[in-house]
Amino acid sequence: DVQLQESGPGLVKPSQSLSLTCSVTGYSITSGYYWNWIRQFPGNKLEWMGYISYDGSNNYNPSLKNRISITRDTSKNQFFLKLNSVTTEDTATYYCAREKGDGYYVYFDVWGAGTTVTVSS
Amino acid sequence: DIQMTQSPASLSVSVGETVTITCRASENIYSNLAWYQQKQGKSPQLLVYAATNLADGVPSRFSGSGSGTQYSLKINSLQSEDFGSYYCQHFWGTPWTFGGGTKLEIK
Repeated sequence: DVQLQESGPGLVKPSQSLSLTCSVTGYSITSGYYWNWIRQFPGNKLEWMGYISYDGSNNYNPSLKNRISITRDTSKNQFFLKLNSVTTEDTATYYCAREKGDGYYVYFDVWGAGTTVTVSS
Repeated sequence: DIQMTQSPASLSVSVGETVTITCRASENIYSNLAWYQQKQGKSPQLLVYAATNLADGVPSRFSGSGSGTQYSLKINSLQSEDFGSYYCQHFWGTPWTFGGGTKLEIK
């Protein structure tokens, strides 16, 4: 079975960078599909942040402008989220998820358990 | 961005009842819609994709329907394990966006 697991600091200071890791087991991130970051704010609103594809290309939510970067380490089968210049508005639970497609339709079929990040001084 | 409007925001129902949750997109999303269930403290889990296709292992009491801008998730004969929150999400052009959620509570 494919499993995803997020890890990283639970507390980040305002203006600093938030860095998270998603470790994937059961499937190589270079074999296919798209590897996403999604966050859920207090109050439960969900926001798609972006992805890195199996071939290393990226697609980001324009709302995050140039604060976001998603990279990967194929040797460790991990991908990473970096969000710069965080504010308290970035406090959320962060999920990584696999985006799978059947040739036309896509969907998030596997999610990590999530990690909560609080931005506070 | 495509806006996803989900209703109702909350629903209080009894075991055995049938419920319908609706999701309206701000433009035609050509059935590129998924539904997720989220239990308290857990990550969302895929229920339905492509508007009508049940994900592997999802009970047949769940069904998805709709087209264009209007979509629905129906749950027949609610079971106790069905209580939680439900979200729709479109996949018609990034950025993907989610509905605001429907919280299903026990009456």
